[in-house]
Amino acid sequence: AQKITQTQPGMFVQEKEAVTLDCTYDTSDQSYGLFWYKQPSSGEMIFLIYQGSYDEQNATEGRYSLNFQKARKSANLVISASQLGDSAMYFCAMRGSGAGSYQLTFGKGTKLSVIP
Amino acid sequence: EAQVTQNPRYLITVTGKKLTVTCSQNMNHEYMSWYRQDPGLGLRQIYYSMNVEVTDKGDVPEGYKVSRKEKRNFPLILESPSPNQTSLYFCASSSHPRGEQPQHFGDGTRLSIL
Repeated sequence: AQKITQTQPGMFVQEKEAVTLDCTYDTSDQSYGLFWYKQPSSGEMIFLIYQGSYDEQNATEGRYSLNFQKARKSANLVISASQLGDSAMYFCAMRGSGAGSYQLTFGKGTKLSVIP
Repeated sequence: EAQVTQNPRYLITVTGKKLTVTCSQNMNHEYMSWYRQDPGLGLRQIYYSMNVEVTDKGDVPEGYKVSRKEKRNFPLILESPSPNQTSLYFCASSSHPRGEQPQHFGDGTRLSIL
């Protein structure tokens, strides 16, 4: 069974500062994928970034980067130069390669608030 | 525009009255899925479909039915809704169930069962 843990229910960050949102995972699969999604107050789910378990480099997409530490089973999202529009819920999710590969398992989310 | 469309967006109904939430995607995706989102629990998968006529249970399938008669549509059926099914529901699709393809989500359907 796969499990995603996001230990920070809520976080605050000053505008223009960087922030790290934590995500740890548990799986017995050798191959897996990790995703981050953003959910603004309007409710839609927006895909941000993907990291494959065999990717040698950390994924980056604009101001988003993923700090992937395979041995520690962590996949933290780093947002650089925070903007007011970054205020939202952020979900870490995982897809395995075994019996659970057709399922996306989500963490409970972190609510990020950006302070002007 | 590539999108996943859910209807209705909001629905208030009563216990026991059958309802269907429709989901349609225009990206020719093979894989579709339904999730429910509850405060403090994140998103949990209800059902998923790998292709036409192929569906399987997710983590919380009790009280729900699905069908996949056409590639583009994946309706969620609540035969006899109960108050514990009050939730925010998302439909999602992707071109392939595995690998790096992200799932594209609809805008959500907020259901209230009284």
